[in-house]
Amino acid sequence: GAGVSQSPSNKVTEKGKDVELRCDPISGHTALYWYRQSLGQGLEFLIYFQGNSAPDKSGLPSDRFSAERTGGSVSTLTIQRTQQEDSAVYLCASSLGLGAGRTDTQYFGPGTRLTVL
Amino acid sequence: QQPVQSPQAVILREGEDAVINCSSSKALYSVHWYRQKHGEAPVFLMILLKGGEQKGHDKISASFNEKKQQSSLYLTASQLSYSGTYFCGTPTGNQFYFGTGTSLTVIP
Repeated sequence: GAGVSQSPSNKVTEKGKDVELRCDPISGHTALYWYRQSLGQGLEFLIYFQGNSAPDKSGLPSDRFSAERTGGSVSTLTIQRTQQEDSAVYLCASSLGLGAGRTDTQYFGPGTRLTVL
Repeated sequence: QQPVQSPQAVILREGEDAVINCSSSKALYSVHWYRQKHGEAPVFLMILLKGGEQKGHDKISASFNEKKQQSSLYLTASQLSYSGTYFCGTPTGNQFYFGTGTSLTVIP
C-alpha cells in the first residue's frame, strides 16, 4: 500500500484483557513511531524504532505496554491487563529515518481507537 | 519536555490572519509543524531545521528562532480548509514531543 496502515481500526475490550495493535509502515521507511492520543488531547509519544537499533522504551507509560518491530518493518504495540485509562486512539507513523528523526517527515496511519470497558 | 503552544484556541473569519506560537524549555534542534483535522491523522506541514529559517507554502509559513527556543506558524488570508488542530513537534534524543496543540476554527 501507499500509506501507513494500522489494524484493527477499532478495538473494544474488557478491562484486564490484553490487546495487540499492529502497524505496517510505508515500504522503505526505517523509522517508526507510536503515539497515543486521548479524546481531545495532544499526541503523547510512546516509542520510536530506528532501523535495527534497540528502541528507547522510556516513553512507554507503564510496564504493561510493550512494542516490537520485526524485520525492521511491521510493528506491534501490546497492552497487557488493559485499564480504562488506556482508552485512546493509538497512532503509528513512519519516516525515511533521515537525520535520526530530526529532519524527517512523519507519515501517520489512520490510528486504532481502543475502548476499554 | 512538551513544547507549549499559544493560543490554545482561536476562531477566525475567512480571510483573517493568525499566528501560532510554539515554545520549548529545552533546546530545539528542529521544529516540525503538523495539522490534524477532526477525526483524522496529523498531516505534515513543514520542518524548520536551522535557527532563523523561514519556510512557507501557499499562505502558511513558519519561522524558527533557535536562540529563543521558539517557532511561529503564520496563516494568512485564512481559508475554511485551514480549520483543525495545529501541533508543533521537536525531536529530543530518541523521542519526539508534540506541542500542546492549537485549535483553529475558520468561519465564513
